[in-house]
Amino acid sequence: GIQVEQSPPDLILQEGANSTLRCNFSDSVNNLQWFHQNPWGQLINLFYIPSGTKQNGRLSATTVATERYSLLYISSSQTTDSGVYFCAVGLNYGGATNKLIFGTGTLLAVQP
Amino acid sequence: DAGITQSPRHKVTETGTPVTLRCHQTENHRYMYWYRQDPGHGLRLIHYSYGVKDTDKGEVSDGYSVSRSKTEDFLLTLESATSSQTSVYFCAISESIGTGEKLFFGSGTQLSVL
Repeated sequence: GIQVEQSPPDLILQEGANSTLRCNFSDSVNNLQWFHQNPWGQLINLFYIPSGTKQNGRLSATTVATERYSLLYISSSQTTDSGVYFCAVGLNYGGATNKLIFGTGTLLAVQP
Repeated sequence: DAGITQSPRHKVTETGTPVTLRCHQTENHRYMYWYRQDPGHGLRLIHYSYGVKDTDKGEVSDGYSVSRSKTEDFLLTLESATSSQTSVYFCAISESIGTGEKLFFGSGTQLSVL
């Protein structure tokens, strides 16, 4: 099956710093999503980005499908950005996002 | 929150007892999923449903069964709970965005099997 590797596993930032999180995957995919799990356990979908670049406020993501990686950029980090960031990949079968494979996440701590 | 409600939010049970977790959605989504989250493993798919009475296995389905008798409800059952099933369980729905489906999660159920 598809393997998903995220790096770095842990990251500590000072408030206001920028960071880049990486997701590598082992096979062709047509579905890639980024999630943020906050310290209370809630999972929020940040981006659906099987290819190209998207931006949402201080966050942006780029996926280069041909090279099998995706990057999540966090600019001017805030303490509320703390938590775990997950990348998930898969193949759309007739529209069903079944069998998305998740990476093990990057744990981000933003210090004031 | 995509209208997803999981119940209960927390449960403690004993080894060998049956347990049912419920996921309820209010927005008529066709696809529903059950994931479990464990340290070091990220999230892993247990079962999913693509319609009423239509379900299929995920990557960690052993020891679990599911049922979907109504569009809005997706039940996960542990027939005889084991300590290895202590985990946080998340229900999800997927929403079509044209070229694919975007996943949204419920708040999770913390299950402890003693």
